Amino acid sequence: DADVTQTPRNRITKTGKRIMLECSQTKGHDRMYWYRQDPGLGLRLIYYSFDVKDINKGEISDGYSVSRQAQAKFSLSLESAIPNQTALYFCATSDLDREGYTFGSGTRLTVV
Amino acid sequence: LAKTTQPISMDSYEGQEVNITCSHNNIATNDYITWYQQFPSQGPRFIIQGYKTKVTNEVASLFIPADRKSSTLSLPRVSLSDTAVYYCLVGGYNTDKLIFGTGTRLQVFP
Repeated sequence: DADVTQTPRNRITKTGKRIMLECSQTKGHDRMYWYRQDPGLGLRLIYYSFDVKDINKGEISDGYSVSRQAQAKFSLSLESAIPNQTALYFCATSDLDREGYTFGSGTRLTVV
Repeated sequence: LAKTTQPISMDSYEGQEVNITCSHNNIATNDYITWYQQFPSQGPRFIIQGYKTKVTNEVASLFIPADRKSSTLSLPRVSLSDTAVYYCLVGGYNTDKLIFGTGTRLQVFP
């Protein structure tokens, strides 16, 4: 099983719909992150969490919300999806070690 | 967080050594330098991390000069499977978040 699992892998939704992307990890890391990647561009940070009671906004948090249900689970929600939120979304985890971040395989979201 | 500058793209041929340089002029004293590799439609994968001088692992080497204002990722004898985007990031050992730039797109030809 993957260390960081994202569901769904692909999703098409309509404008105005609420959608949740889920992330779970088996690394035992405290820190979790949500990134967004647009075609040909780097990753941009949406939200991050240091533990269950700690949530922080990243570079582009507007239009998104998150929930840290447990150490292993971190969900990203789009309350009212819009077409410019069409992107590839990545969840990542990290710990205070030198192994860097571990990323999930991504969720490709299309808003029509 | 220190800003990084990398070439947008590089081309190479199989079997050659590839060196990708990253500039980070305002790196802080407690910042580490980390490189990630990303294949299309996959999440970035950690390659190597260093603080100063030289670090080597089974995949790559990382060269960091004394002033630490730049770093060079060296990939020995690249193959077609090394075609990917490579990101250079700097941050503290306990940096709370990583900011990615646009990376360097490496294309390896047969």
